[in-house]
Parts: sequence; C-alpha cells; structure tokens
Amino acid sequence: QKEVEQNSGPLSVPEGAIASLNCTYSDRGSQSFFWYRQYSGKSPELIMFIYSNGDKEDGRFTAQLNKASQYVSLLIRDSQPSDSATYLCAVRNAGKSTFGDGTTLTVKP
Amino acid sequence: DAGITQSPRYKITETGRQVTLMCHQTWSHSYMFWYRQDLGHGLRLIYYSAAADITDKGEVPDGYVVSRSKTENFPLTLESATRSQTSVYFCASSAEKASGNYEQYFGPGTRLTVT
Repeated sequence: QKEVEQNSGPLSVPEGAIASLNCTYSDRGSQSFFWYRQYSGKSPELIMFIYSNGDKEDGRFTAQLNKASQYVSLLIRDSQPSDSATYLCAVRNAGKSTFGDGTTLTVKP
Repeated sequence: DAGITQSPRYKITETGRQVTLMCHQTWSHSYMFWYRQDLGHGLRLIYYSAAADITDKGEVPDGYVVSRSKTENFPLTLESATRSQTSVYFCASSAEKASGNYEQYFGPGTRLTVT
C-alpha cells in the first residue's frame, strides 16, 4: 500500500462544474497536508495547505481534512479550462513530505 | 526576487559519468529537498536537509550524494550516472515555522538524460 494514494484519474469535468479530488494517507502521525498543481512540463505549484480538521477555503478552492479517516480532499468550484493540470497531494511528517502520484484533471469548455 | 533556481535546466550525459545538479535559494529557508519525477509518477524524495551540514536520506537515495555547506545551496551529485537515473529532478525549499508547519516551494526542474 502506498503511503499517499490519489484517485487514479484522469478526471474530466465540464466548465463551470465542481471538480473533486481525493487523497488518503497511511501515516497517522502526519501533520501537514498540501495540494500542488502541476502543468505539463512545469514544476509543482502550491495551491492549498491545511493543518487542522475541517474545511479551508481560498477563492474557488476548498481543502477538506479528516484526520480520523486519514483523508484529505480538494474541491474546485466553477472549474475553468485553465484548471486542467495534474494535482498532487502531499503529506508531511517529521520534516519530509510524501507525494501521491497525482490526479490529472481535464476541464472541457 | 529569484526565489529558487536550478542549473542546468537540461543535461545529457553518458553512463558512468559524474553529474552535479545545482540548487540555489534566496529565501534563507532552512529546509531543502531533492525529488525525482518519472513519467506518470509523483515526486519521490531523494535527500533532504534541515539546515547547513545536516542531510538525511529520502525514499530513493542510492546512487546520489548531497552536501550543504551553505544554507542557500544544495547540490545533488550522481557519482556514476546510470540510465535508470534519467528523470526530471526538482529542488524545493521551505521555512521552518515556530508552529512546525511549512510549505514547500519548487524550482523549475532539471531534465537529465543518461545515454
């Protein structure tokens, strides 16, 4: 079992819809949780981080964390074609982060 | 504001040669990291450093050497390159906050091909 698992994807949604990306992790000692967006051929870009249980909203993005279920998600509201990218979930414990393999999102106009 | 830079951006080398990838950050972040990303895969941690002169192994350290004599630099050396080390290499850095939480920021990457 991988330490961080994400939907295998690809995920396709129409423009204006809500995209839901999910991530589970195995290390209960994990402290910090991150979502990165990576466009093809580019480096990962941090878009959201969450440290406490519950929801955290930033513009069209909402991160949700449930430590009891070892689950973190990212919702993208009003999805735009520019949101088409690979989304990486990362989990941190004791100084280093472990990344999932990513979910590729395509937003169709 | 240069942030975090990597050099070279592209490198082709032959099997058995030594190669050094450079990483430089201007934020004075305490933590620095090296990852490799292979096609269709996420990021795998090679080595990381919590501060100057402190380094530790990640998930895939074999065949790589790191050093960190200055806070701002974190070079990664492939002592004897192999074809399996063909990959995109990303350097990242992060600050150590009093809360213990931090966010990583990535360099532009180095695309390395070993022939």
